[in-house]
Amino acid sequence: GDSVTQMEGPVTLSEEAFLTINCTYTATGYPSLFWYVQYPGEGLQLLLKATKADDKGSNKGFEATYRKETTSFHLEKGSVQVSDSAVYFCALSNAGGTSYGKLTFGQGTILTVHP
Amino acid sequence: GAVVSQHPSRVICKSGTSVKIECRSLDFQATTMFWYRQFPKQSLMLMATSNEGSKATYEQGVEKDKFLINHASLTLSTLTVTSAHPEDSSFYICSAIGGLAGEAQYFGPGTRLTVT
Repeated sequence: GDSVTQMEGPVTLSEEAFLTINCTYTATGYPSLFWYVQYPGEGLQLLLKATKADDKGSNKGFEATYRKETTSFHLEKGSVQVSDSAVYFCALSNAGGTSYGKLTFGQGTILTVHP
Repeated sequence: GAVVSQHPSRVICKSGTSVKIECRSLDFQATTMFWYRQFPKQSLMLMATSNEGSKATYEQGVEKDKFLINHASLTLSTLTVTSAHPEDSSFYICSAIGGLAGEAQYFGPGTRLTVT
């Protein structure tokens, strides 16, 4: 079945540091890939997405490129802020058959940014 | 656009009672809604998938008679936790999808259920 593996957390950075959160996946076919962010006590917010190989999703300074050859979708940000502290989830969705629309999540990575 | 609301945001109930949680898509029609449960510091666990006008599809290990799901319209799904027990205390999150291939799920803000 489909699966998503994220780098283990928690990740602790100083403000303005460079962020990378690794995400790799296993899936049949051509899944869509997503990054979601969850702030404490809240639901998930879509951060960015990519629907086909070599697509780059970007939002709020975050970027991730869909790499089919390495089955990866690593999240990056050049300069993190304290307000970026949250839990980040990588996820995939396979559009076919009975699993239509269902998301497969990674385990989540806790990011803490210190001033 | 793509806003999903949940109500209530927090609820405390006594053991043995039932609690209903509403999930609404505010600005789009949701062909499919999903219900998740999240334990502290863990990822989301999919409980069930519901399509408007049809019975929900429950994930393995989820009791359908305990977690009743109704998707009465294209903008509303409800989750009723029946005969709640303290072990049902959790953070319940719904999401909705409009039906396009590769489309993202949009999540509600979650409902914190505490059973005393």
